[in-house]
This record gives sequence, C-alpha cells and structure tokens, in this order.
Amino acid sequence: LAKTTQPISMDSYEGQEVNITCSHNNIATNDYITWYQQFPSQGPRFIIQGYKTKVTNEVASLFIPADRKSSTLSLPRVSLSDTAVYYCLVGDGNTPLVFGKGTRLSVIA
Amino acid sequence: EPEVTQTPSHQVTQMGQEVILRCVPISNHLYFYWYRQILGQKVEFLVSFYNNEISEKSEIFDDQFSVERPDGSNFTLKIRSTKLEDSAMYFCASSEAKGIRAEAFFGQGTRLTVV
Repeated sequence: LAKTTQPISMDSYEGQEVNITCSHNNIATNDYITWYQQFPSQGPRFIIQGYKTKVTNEVASLFIPADRKSSTLSLPRVSLSDTAVYYCLVGDGNTPLVFGKGTRLSVIA
Repeated sequence: EPEVTQTPSHQVTQMGQEVILRCVPISNHLYFYWYRQILGQKVEFLVSFYNNEISEKSEIFDDQFSVERPDGSNFTLKIRSTKLEDSAMYFCASSEAKGIRAEAFFGQGTRLTVV
C-alpha cells in the first residue's frame, strides 16, 4: 500500500487556482492515483483518477510527473463551495479504499 | 444519477442497545462498504462485502459489528451493544469493482448518537 503525504490544510481566496500536492514515493507500477472530495457532513465523492501525465474533467485537473512519485490536484478558480477535505489515494484494484487525513481546503471570500 | 441511499439519517440510541443502519447500494454494484467518521476525525474503513461475504475488515470491526445483505437490495450494518464511542457518522458505499481503481459512491450517511 503506497503511503501518501499531503498538506493538512490550505487556505485560498475565491477565484484563485488551488494546487494540492500529494507525495507517494513508493508508488507501484500498477497503482493509480485517485482523489476524493468530502464536504462537511457528507460522504466522500470521487473527483478524478489518473495514471500518468495529465487528466482533466469538469471539476479538476490532475498532473502526474513522469516518475509518478507525486501528483497535483488543481482546482481552477475556487469558490466558497469548494471548501472541503481532499483525499489522495494510491493503489490498484487490490488496494482497499482507505482514507488518510486529507487536506482541508478553506476558501475565503 | 444513481445514488446510494441510507436510512435513517439520524439515530439516537441508548448505550447497550442494538442498532441497525440500512443502505441501498447502486443496483448494478457488486462491492459494498461501511465506513465511520467520528466528529472532526478522518473517515475510517470498517468492512467490505462481496459475493455475500466479508472480503476485508478493519480492527475496528470487532464482534459487536455485523453486516448482512438480507435481500437483493439492502445492505445493513448492525451494532449489537452500542457504546458511547460508537457515536459517529456512518457511511455506506458501493462500487462496480473492488479497490481504489474503482469509483466508489457514498451515501449521505447516518448520524448515530449513543447516549
């Protein structure tokens, strides 16, 4: 199980781009990088998943360098409603979905 | 969009009582999970369930907990003799495939308060 390290918390103003970096130095060849978002009093929600390079969807972008030892979740032009905890998970189909402490993002008006 | 539904949304129970938390996973999903989140803490994995049996469980999931899929749609978590420290938000989740590779869908949770 690849260990992940991400900042405990981040603050941002509305309208800014937010980048949350996750370190996973011992990522295995078969592992994918997955991010979940959890709003207060709600269950986690899948945001994005990638293996290498860049993945983009309507919510976020995920940047993965060639060595795959880290990844960056990018949220464009955040709003107050993006205030949430963001979890980085690394693994494959045999890796249980176990959450760490995540990064608590606070968006300020 | 299909969703995981949980009932009740809130439950208050007395210490020592049994509670059953209910979940209806997404209909074509095969893997089911229970998690709990104590207020202000991280989401903790309890158990995963596949093909009518437990596939993995954490240290938290001791003998006071059990899970069941009593029919083709419901997935339940039973806590036999609740303790004060069982007070938490309990989330059910389901996915088409297992592990981190598959997208898991979470319900809105049941807030359990043990008094």
